[in-house]
Amino acid sequence: ILNVEQSPQSLHVQEGDSTNFTCSFPSSNFYALHWYRWETAKSPEALFVMTLNGDEKKKGRISATLNTKEGYSYLYIKGSQPEDSATYLCAFGGATNKLIFGTGTLLAVQP
Amino acid sequence: SAVISQKPSRDICQRGTSLTIQCQVDSQVTMMFWYRQQPGQSLTLIATANQGSEATYESGFVIDKFPISRPNLTFSTLTVSNLSPEDSSIYLCSAGRAGGSYNEQFFGPGTRLTVL
Repeated sequence: ILNVEQSPQSLHVQEGDSTNFTCSFPSSNFYALHWYRWETAKSPEALFVMTLNGDEKKKGRISATLNTKEGYSYLYIKGSQPEDSATYLCAFGGATNKLIFGTGTLLAVQP
Repeated sequence: SAVISQKPSRDICQRGTSLTIQCQVDSQVTMMFWYRQQPGQSLTLIATANQGSEATYESGFVIDKFPISRPNLTFSTLTVSNLSPEDSSIYLCSAGRAGGSYNEQFFGPGTRLTVL
């Protein structure tokens, strides 16, 4: 059974704070690591697809890094805004077309 | 990318009844999937919806409880049968192209089901 774990489970920060979350995944049979943002009552939105060890990706104030040898990825948000409040999901993609999701990190940014 | 719609967006159902959820994709896709998120749990894959043939179910999920149809490349339905309170969850469909962009999947907004 493949396990994908995310921490922390939830996070409360003040507007302007920078924050980061962790996703750990199996280091064997790795194909891709996906990050999604899921706001209540909306579709999960794809943020990044990461494939290579050492990958770093950035979209605005959000960035992510990948370490496939040790099986972890970090998601960083710089200068959090209330609109960043959402659940952030990571998903491990192996050789099949399936994705295995972590339980997510619920971020609440208070103005 | 693909835009995916689901309906209903939410429903409240009585124990023992069934609910059918529809998923529509705005373009032809190879892969369609159905997921469930129970409270406090991760998104869990129920099955892969195969066009013109029986769905492929994950361990712990069976066709009698979760019948799935996929009559064409842009539409699928999931029925949750003989509902019990344990079926209260968010159900999501997703779509992707086999081998495309490292198996990236695009999701619908989900159906929030409450079973009384």
